[in-house]
Amino acid sequence: AQKITQTQPGMFVQEKEAVTLDCTYDTSDPSYGLFWYKQPSSGEMIFLIYQGSYDQQNATEGRYSLNFQKARKSANLVISASQLGDSAMYFCAMREGRVGGRRALTFGSGTRLQVQP
Amino acid sequence: DSGVTQTPKHLITATGQRVTLRCSPRSGDLSVYWYQQSLDQGLQFLIQYYNGEERAKGNILERFSAQQFPDLHSELNLSSLELGDSALYFCASSPLTGRGNEQFFGPGTRLTVL
Repeated sequence: AQKITQTQPGMFVQEKEAVTLDCTYDTSDPSYGLFWYKQPSSGEMIFLIYQGSYDQQNATEGRYSLNFQKARKSANLVISASQLGDSAMYFCAMREGRVGGRRALTFGSGTRLQVQP
Repeated sequence: DSGVTQTPKHLITATGQRVTLRCSPRSGDLSVYWYQQSLDQGLQFLIQYYNGEERAKGNILERFSAQQFPDLHSELNLSSLELGDSALYFCASSPLTGRGNEQFFGPGTRLTVL
């Protein structure tokens, strides 16, 4: 079974609008972390935001916020006020186990976001 | 700039050959992870080292091997290369503390096997 599922292969959004990228996950481990990374066309992987399974509040980092719904096992990324530079692939990833366990990440298949002027 | 360096940036070689990819983690990071990103397999974890010791293995082929040296840099060795090994290979490092052991990715090595 897929541990991380991103059901939107591609998304379009108008500049300055908000967009939500979907991510659902599957784990039986009570301790886990969820990450979003951005991969522009240049290829590098850029960390955006992190949510721990025990965090009470949704994570926010500037224009990025993570809509964490634990019971539904979803961790959607919300980008507010989209900019042309947000056009990229976005990957949701999960680390199973406690923080400090130094486990590898499992990635979803990604969503390609295109911001239109 | 994540602070993780990878060399070379691009590598073009022929089937059957052997190559070595190099990674230097961020200063102070003891953990190094190798990932492969290909069109058909997506991003998948290959192998992890922690302070010189192999820590975990993912979907790494037997033709591939890695090591981490005392200065903490790591090398990924790919041998008997096949066309399907063409991919972007990432190295990542993570600190002991921080945001959920966030992994910092290097710029990647793009391997093309002809």
